[in-house]
Amino acid sequence: EIVLTQSPDTLSLSPGETATLSCRASQRIGTNYFAWYQQKSGQPPRLLIYSAFTRATGVPDRFRGGGSETDFTLTISRVEPEDFAVYFCQQYGRSLPWTFGQGTVVEI
Amino acid sequence: VQLMESGPGLVKPSETLTLTCTVSDDSFLSGSYYWNWIRQFPGKGLEWIGYIYDNENTYYNPSLKSRVSMSMVTSMRQFSLSLASVTAADTAIYFCARASLVVQSRYFDSWGQGAQVTVSS
Repeated sequence: EIVLTQSPDTLSLSPGETATLSCRASQRIGTNYFAWYQQKSGQPPRLLIYSAFTRATGVPDRFRGGGSETDFTLTISRVEPEDFAVYFCQQYGRSLPWTFGQGTVVEI
Repeated sequence: VQLMESGPGLVKPSETLTLTCTVSDDSFLSGSYYWNWIRQFPGKGLEWIGYIYDNENTYYNPSLKSRVSMSMVTSMRQFSLSLASVTAADTAIYFCARASLVVQSRYFDSWGQGAQVTVSS
């Protein structure tokens, strides 16, 4: 099983600042089969980024995914009040089971 | 597409938890998707339980494999999860979600709102 470790656990920011979230995989993830999700309180996770760097439909361009193999990042430029949420990384490579990171809370 | 979970919110220890997910559109009939169950524990961690596709093809997370089964009823646009011998550790929000069968697109692009399940006597 591929273990995903996110850092930091909590990120405290002010609106307008830049957030950098990291996710490290215990094994190489082939061909960037990697996604990021945003979850707000009382809602299901929402797909933000897939294939490591492709934004899902409707996702603002201030969200940028990057990285490869074992180290991936999610950067949120000019954080807005609606961006304060929990963010999860996930791998969907050929190696099952698919797994999630433990989440990073982005808070004011 | 919309997905909606249904089932009892309270299950007694050692009993079987059964949930159903109803899918709103014909993507369920297309044969192009994995239909998944994912749960979220009170501490917010997410665990992928497994998937079903083409009525009978399944994969279950090894952590739950001995207790899990999934099924589909195509005519009802529904798929179901059964989890046997539940304990308090199975208390979670259970989500159903869709993922494409295409290898590079197997992310979860649509989710249900989630069903809270509490295991307690």
